[in-house]
Amino acid sequence: DQQVKQNSPSLSVQEGRISILNCDYTNSMFDYFLWYKKYPAEGPTFLISISSIKDKNEDGRFTVFLNKSAKHLSLHIVPSQPGDSAVYFCAASGIQGAQKLVFGQGTRLTINP
Amino acid sequence: DVKVTQSSRYLVKRTGEKVFLECVQDMDHENMFWYRQDPGLGLRLIYFSYDVKMKEKGDIPEGYSVSREKKERFSLILESASTNQTSMYLCASSDPGTVDQPQHFGDGTRLSIL
Repeated sequence: DQQVKQNSPSLSVQEGRISILNCDYTNSMFDYFLWYKKYPAEGPTFLISISSIKDKNEDGRFTVFLNKSAKHLSLHIVPSQPGDSAVYFCAASGIQGAQKLVFGQGTRLTINP
Repeated sequence: DVKVTQSSRYLVKRTGEKVFLECVQDMDHENMFWYRQDPGLGLRLIYFSYDVKMKEKGDIPEGYSVSREKKERFSLILESASTNQTSMYLCASSDPGTVDQPQHFGDGTRLSIL
């Protein structure tokens, strides 16, 4: 049973526009959410996170929004750049914080010039 | 910067072999993890460890075991490799001190079982 779902396997966005990546979860015990970015032949790197007590967290071009009632989070990238082309994974954890993560399937983002 | 090093980038083994994947981290992290990444399935947790000689099963531990004899090193063992264990294996470490400590990943080992 997939507790964290990324329903879009791929997304293509024009350079300079906004990229929106979505993630849904089913377990209401999750209280911390993270986004990771992965380039081919490299490990995932941490991008941004949000606690369940917030509904928005911003870091430069990256903003994560959390809608607890809908069990949905999204990552916004504005403006999108070619270097943002990668696979993005959302992940969730429970009361133990980042000690045990449940990952989504990933979304491959392609930024077109 | 946290450095998580996996001993091999690519590995080819035969069915039935005992396979060892090694991971070393240099930040004195207490937590270490082993995941496998498969297309359409994301990252799935195999085993994790909170301390030396401590281990707990993740979501897909069948066919695997782990060893953590030193704090910096976490080994994944495939007792008798099978073709369905062909995958990308990722090691990670984290500091449990605060809730917002992310996991840091190595670059992965792409394992092929023939």
